[in-house]
Amino acid sequence: DGGITQSPKYLFRKEGQNVTLSCEQNLNHDAMYWYRQDPGQGLRLIYYSQIVNDFQKGDIAEGYSVSREKKESFPLTVTSAQKNPTAFYLCASSIDGAGLNTEAFFGQGTRLTVV
Amino acid sequence: ELKVEQNPLFLSMQEGKNYTIYCNYSTTSDRLYWYRQDPGKSLESLFVLLSNGAVKQEGRLMASLDTKARLSTLHITAAVHDLSATYFCAGLQGSNYKLTFGKGTLLTVNP
Repeated sequence: DGGITQSPKYLFRKEGQNVTLSCEQNLNHDAMYWYRQDPGQGLRLIYYSQIVNDFQKGDIAEGYSVSREKKESFPLTVTSAQKNPTAFYLCASSIDGAGLNTEAFFGQGTRLTVV
Repeated sequence: ELKVEQNPLFLSMQEGKNYTIYCNYSTTSDRLYWYRQDPGKSLESLFVLLSNGAVKQEGRLMASLDTKARLSTLHITAAVHDLSATYFCAGLQGSNYKLTFGKGTLLTVNP
């Protein structure tokens, strides 16, 4: 089945440690996104990518990094520079190259906790 | 840059009543999305609205789009408890594919 897969579902990070969240899609979508959601809050855009080997900062990019080496993959690294990383992280994808697909789908999310 | 505003942010309603959630956006948006989120879960796609005057319905939910007014609405008919969730609208700019969300509306349907 087509969809977006995020892993792991739960992740624990020690102070000063970098961690990488995985996001893979088999929908042939060009665009991919990372959002952060804090409890009771909306979604804030971290990074997004329109196409392979290209990505743009969102509204809260500091302390995060991404890569887009393959169309289907858009991993997010939470670096030690991100002082308050505990949150729910959501990956999404939209728009295929032919412009035929109209929906934006989300993965199941990764809940990151600093210990 | 596209900005999306939803209101109300909190909505408590009784079963059987009707209500509308409003989503205003600041500049041209190529697509307007509505999502539902249950506590602790990811976002579930409800509707995609592409053109002026678009109306889509699924069960007790109906979404519409007025591109001239830069307004989308999500209308709830005869609410039931199962509709309790947070509802988000989002706009997508075709120029850069940036997907921007409103703050969400927490809907609570009381018996």
